[in-house]
Order: sequence, then structure tokens, then C-alpha cells
Amino acid sequence: GESVGLHLPTLSVQEGDNSIINCAYSNSASDYFIWYKQESGKGPQFIIDIRSNMDKRQGQRVTVLLNKTVKHLSLQIAATQPGDSAVYFCAENVDGSGNTGKLIFGQGTTLQVKP
Amino acid sequence: GAGVSQTPSNKVTEKGKYVELRCDPISGHTALYWYRQSLGQGPEFLIYFQGTGAADDSGLPNDRFFAVRPEGSVSTLKIQRTERGDSAVYLCASSLSGDPTAGELFFGEGSRLTVL
Repeated sequence: GESVGLHLPTLSVQEGDNSIINCAYSNSASDYFIWYKQESGKGPQFIIDIRSNMDKRQGQRVTVLLNKTVKHLSLQIAATQPGDSAVYFCAENVDGSGNTGKLIFGQGTTLQVKP
Repeated sequence: GAGVSQTPSNKVTEKGKYVELRCDPISGHTALYWYRQSLGQGPEFLIYFQGTGAADDSGLPNDRFFAVRPEGSVSTLKIQRTERGDSAVYLCASSLSGDPTAGELFFGEGSRLTVL
């Protein structure tokens, strides 16, 4: 069956270092992927997205890489700050038509930033 | 309002009781979603509304769960005969168009349901 998962449950980095959070997906028909950040007691917050016709997209301090060959997604955060500490989820759009709004989320990676 | 509003923020109930959870989406957003998040897990899709109609309810776990959006704005998730396994955070999200590839979903802070 289809699944979206993350390789590591917890990632600990030093403030100022770069962070890389990985995600594997199994549905080769998925055509849209999103990274969310979730702080304790809050709902997920959109970070960045990427369509399957791209392999890289950059935002402010964040970059998402998509490798369709191995069905792998990664989120890179440059110059990680204490405010980046949260749980990060990757999600994929299940319906290739993009009409349902249904997303499948991975289990999440906890990012801990040490001062 | 400025964001997606969910009430109550916390609900404790006893097994077998009926529960309603309310979501007030961002004004003007036609698409509304309910997700459920168990402890230590990612959110799981429950149902999606486009306007007043449920466009996709394939994520509802069984017929004890039902959701409505009678006027195309506020939505209520209803759970009958609650079970301990229903304990989770119920998240609501809205988006302008309903096409997730056209922009992000805006999530509320969730309603934490605890069934004793």
C-alpha cells in the first residue's frame, strides 16, 4: 500500500548548522509534496511544496529536494535557529488529479536545535 | 477571523457519549478538511468539503463519525458512541480553492478529544 515515512524520528543539530530531514514515499503516482512544521500544541504550518515535475525548490532558508527515481524527499534548513525546533512532516497528495485535497502524512521527525 | 478556529480546544468525555467538534474556517475559503492526529503520528485524512457538500469522506473510520457544513462555512464533526480509541487531536484545515496543489492548507490548533 502507499505510505509516506521519515527515516529518523529525532534530529539534533547545533544552532547555526544546516539541517536535513528526509522522507521516503511509496506511491509513484503522487505528484505533489509538502513539508509542514508543527510546534507543540499547534496545528501543522506550511513550509514549502514541490510538484513532481521539479527536483528542487527553494524558499527562505529552506530547500526541498525531490528524487523520483528512489522516491525520496528531503527538507534542508540553512542556519538552523532555536525557533526551528518542532516536528516536521512530509505529506503527499494521494489523488493525482489534485481535486480531493487529501494528503497522506508521514510520522514526523522531531528537530531539536541546541543553542 | 484571522485563522482557522476550532472549539473546544479540549474535550474530555466518557465512553459511549456523543461529541461535537466545531471548525470555523478562514473567511472566503471554500474548501474545508478534517484530519485526526494520534499521539506521535502524522495527521490522517478524514473528510473534505467543497462548499456545503462532502467531496470525499473516505477517511471516516466508521459510521459513528459524521460531519456537516450546512452553509458552506462552519463545519461540525460529530462522533457517536465514543470509544477510547477515538482519543486524538482533531484538526481542521481550510484552503481557498480546494486544490492542494494551488496553495497551502491552513490548519487550526485542533480539538483534543480524550475518551475515558
